Amino acid sequence: DTGVSQDPRHKITKRGQNVTFRCDPISEHNRLYWYRQTLGQGPEFLTYFQNEAQLEKSRLLSDRFSAERPKGSFSTLEIQRTEQGDSAMYLCASSFAGGMDEQFFGPGTRLTVL
Amino acid sequence: AQSVTQLDSQVPVFEEAPVELRCNYSSSVSVYLFWYVQYPNQGLQLLLKYLSGSTLVESINGFEAEFNKSQTSFHLRKPSVHISDTAEYFCAVSAFRGSQGNLIFGKGTKLSVKP
Repeated sequence: DTGVSQDPRHKITKRGQNVTFRCDPISEHNRLYWYRQTLGQGPEFLTYFQNEAQLEKSRLLSDRFSAERPKGSFSTLEIQRTEQGDSAMYLCASSFAGGMDEQFFGPGTRLTVL
Repeated sequence: AQSVTQLDSQVPVFEEAPVELRCNYSSSVSVYLFWYVQYPNQGLQLLLKYLSGSTLVESINGFEAEFNKSQTSFHLRKPSVHISDTAEYFCAVSAFRGSQGNLIFGKGTKLSVKP
């Protein structure tokens, strides 16, 4: 068990460009969550997968955001036409559904939009 | 819907002093409660959780939190802090039933332990 990993750790992009982040959860975990954390705030829920199904999306997830988990393992989060307001730390967490599933967080991807 | 309020954004304290980080929540349903810690340049780590049973829960590094349903609070305490406890602490809740388990976080409290 190597924990939740995220790639890249840092991404700097210009406004209007598309970016994609990857999350690899703990292997036996069937739930995967994306959160966003801006400076001075706690993490905010974006979306959630159980296996390959995306079961909920927050209102924070605009049409420019899309997430996938094609084989129920790793997940990608894509932001199209980035805006400066997208600058944040994007966190991924995974858990095993059963009782109250403890979420394990990855180190995050810090996005800076210039 | 649930919400979490962490009343103090920053708490400076001297080493070996006691500390309390306050957390209040609002929810129309029963909730699970968590404290996460984020050390500088590291990811979020679960510090302790309340799911059911005893209202006093403890972590392995000396922190404890008490669930108070009547006051809708889950304050975090440590009787004697160390320099290494310097970090940001986040309180979080998750709905007990009918939920996919997403966490609602407070804004965090930065604990700064000074020698």
